[in-house]
Amino acid sequence: GAVVSQHPSWVICKSGTSVKIECRSLDFQATTMFWYRQFPKQSLMLMATSNEGSKATYEQGVEKDKFLINHASLTLSTLTVTSAHPEDSSFYICSARDLQGRATDTQYFGPGTRLTVL
Amino acid sequence: QQQVKQSPQSLIVQKGGISIINCAYENTAFDYFPWYQQFPGKGPALLIAIRPDVSEKKEGRFTISFNKSAKQFSLHIMDSQPGDSATYFCAASIFGNEKLTFGTGTRLTIIP
Repeated sequence: GAVVSQHPSWVICKSGTSVKIECRSLDFQATTMFWYRQFPKQSLMLMATSNEGSKATYEQGVEKDKFLINHASLTLSTLTVTSAHPEDSSFYICSARDLQGRATDTQYFGPGTRLTVL
Repeated sequence: QQQVKQSPQSLIVQKGGISIINCAYENTAFDYFPWYQQFPGKGPALLIAIRPDVSEKKEGRFTISFNKSAKQFSLHIMDSQPGDSATYFCAASIFGNEKLTFGTGTRLTIIP
């Protein structure tokens, strides 16, 4: 149980285009999902907290107009990188917090999406 | 005050040995301390977690030791195997806050 999926697993796009990444909790409901960014050999940096049915909360320094987050249902959150540029190339990882019958505060991570902007 | 300091940055251990990774925190409000294992190109996977009401938690070959007064916690991997070679992250959070603060990671390599 507690499986989180991401789609796509990798994407290559041209500079100036937009890319959408999906994050799904497959066997549990997640009222809260998180989006992280990870550069090679570095730790995870929280970008934003996504709450179902409300606006996402962005961390300081993260451009909300560039990284659009939508959490339309209890099992799906999407991150759209708008007008992507090479510096947006990174590994994007989502996580979901499982509140149903499990230990609270446990976050389960998706497999990540490798974004390369040419 | 939100930082979690992790050491060492990299660690090489012989197969069968004990791998030890340490983390220290400053924020005394932290009350949930998970460890994550990450393989290259994959997302982190929850390994084991502890709350401050216990000083040790063991799951199979993995043990967390927690020292509340020193604000330190560590991961011990007994009988380390080549399959344990990965990057390990400690983290901390405050109950109800939801956000995880991650350590900087330790790249563990188990050699035959």
